[in-house]
Amino acid sequence: DGGITQSPKYLFRKEGQNVTLSCEQNLNHDAMYWYRQDPGQGLRLIYYSQIVNDFQKGDIAEGYSVSREKKESFPLTVTSAQKNPTAFYLCASSIGGDSNQPQHFGDGTRLSIL
Amino acid sequence: GENVEQHPSTLSVQEGDSAVIKCTYSDSASNYFPWYKQELGKGPQLIIDIRSNVGEKKDQRIAVTLNKTAKHFSLHITETQPEDSAVYFCAAFSFNDYKLSFGAGTTVTVRA
Repeated sequence: DGGITQSPKYLFRKEGQNVTLSCEQNLNHDAMYWYRQDPGQGLRLIYYSQIVNDFQKGDIAEGYSVSREKKESFPLTVTSAQKNPTAFYLCASSIGGDSNQPQHFGDGTRLSIL
Repeated sequence: GENVEQHPSTLSVQEGDSAVIKCTYSDSASNYFPWYKQELGKGPQLIIDIRSNVGEKKDQRIAVTLNKTAKHFSLHITETQPEDSAVYFCAAFSFNDYKLSFGAGTTVTVRA
């Protein structure tokens, strides 16, 4: 089945530690996105990538980093500089990033601080 | 940037009744408006979308309307069922920044 796979489902981070969230898609989509979801708020864009080896900051990129070395993979690193990392992180993909095409989401990773 | 406001934040309806969620947007360059349904512990699932050249779209019990002049769009769910209980998000895609901006969500509860 085609889709987006996020792992792990739950992740715990110690103070001062970097953690990496995985996102893989087999939809052959060019564009991929990372969003953060907090209770009572909509999704906020962290980073997005319209094509391999290229990515742009979203609205809340501080304290996060990404890479896009392969079309199917877009990992997100939550660095120790992110002071409030506890949230639900969602990865999405779409056919193209420069067109108004539907974004399809994975089932998320819930990150908590120990 | 685009600002999307969504109302109400919570909605409780009796099974079989209709549910309506309304969203407004600010950027006149927005031309694509998807709606997502999110169940607990899951990612959002696209349920219907509409583009700015269309005023209304329907898919079985779900319909979306768009008023470009007033910059608002609405989701209508008819004959609600318990499985319709979820959080619903509206969103708007703007060609000014090529981003999808989301509303804050509506928690819909269908009472049996």
